[in-house]
Amino acid sequence: AAGVIQSPRHLIKEKRETATLKCYPIPRHDTVYWYQQGPGQDPQFLISFYEKMQSDKGSIPDRFSAQQFSDYHSELNMSSLELGDSALYFCASSYVRPGKGDEQFFGPGTRLTVL
Amino acid sequence: KQEVTQIPAALSVPEGENLVLNCSFTDSAIYNLQWFRQDPGKGLTSLLLIQSSQREQTSGRLNASLDKSSGRSTLYIAASQPGDSATYLCGSNSGSRLTFGEGTQLTVNP
Repeated sequence: AAGVIQSPRHLIKEKRETATLKCYPIPRHDTVYWYQQGPGQDPQFLISFYEKMQSDKGSIPDRFSAQQFSDYHSELNMSSLELGDSALYFCASSYVRPGKGDEQFFGPGTRLTVL
Repeated sequence: KQEVTQIPAALSVPEGENLVLNCSFTDSAIYNLQWFRQDPGKGLTSLLLIQSSQREQTSGRLNASLDKSSGRSTLYIAASQPGDSATYLCGSNSGSRLTFGEGTQLTVNP
């Protein structure tokens, strides 16, 4: 079965650089979520999109932005990178029925290292 | 704001034991609760999803229960195996996001 695809899998950047992470949801899934997992921590919700519109916003820094495109893939853009941005970034997707949450399927993650 | 707590933080058991992992959440207005497995440095694998209207879900050796009124869920693993060694995370779903506990790190010793 098709899973959530994330690219790149690993990314190394310098401080103050920019990074773009990509997520391709499971076919026919209409909702994409982004989570950040720091070392030894649980995943923290950043932002989600339903049918290409932002549906919820969590603890996402103003330096970060994201969008969902017409083919439902999503990109997380990160600017002015800081050392503390080093983390695993997960994308998840689901098919959401209105008024109900639904099962989220996670991608393998992008490991971002900021030097 | 939803807060999720998992107990214990770490658990080490001999192979073959049955074990229970606990998850509690502060806001009972959830749509569902998911249990995940995470191997070191890897992604999250969904194990079980319990909808808010359900009390229990089973998959193979795994059984998850949900008591919304008390804000608790448990994951029961029967006849544990060394391959079950991983971190187990519970996530409560408020409809648009998952809020995770800090996980239980399970080690099953041969």
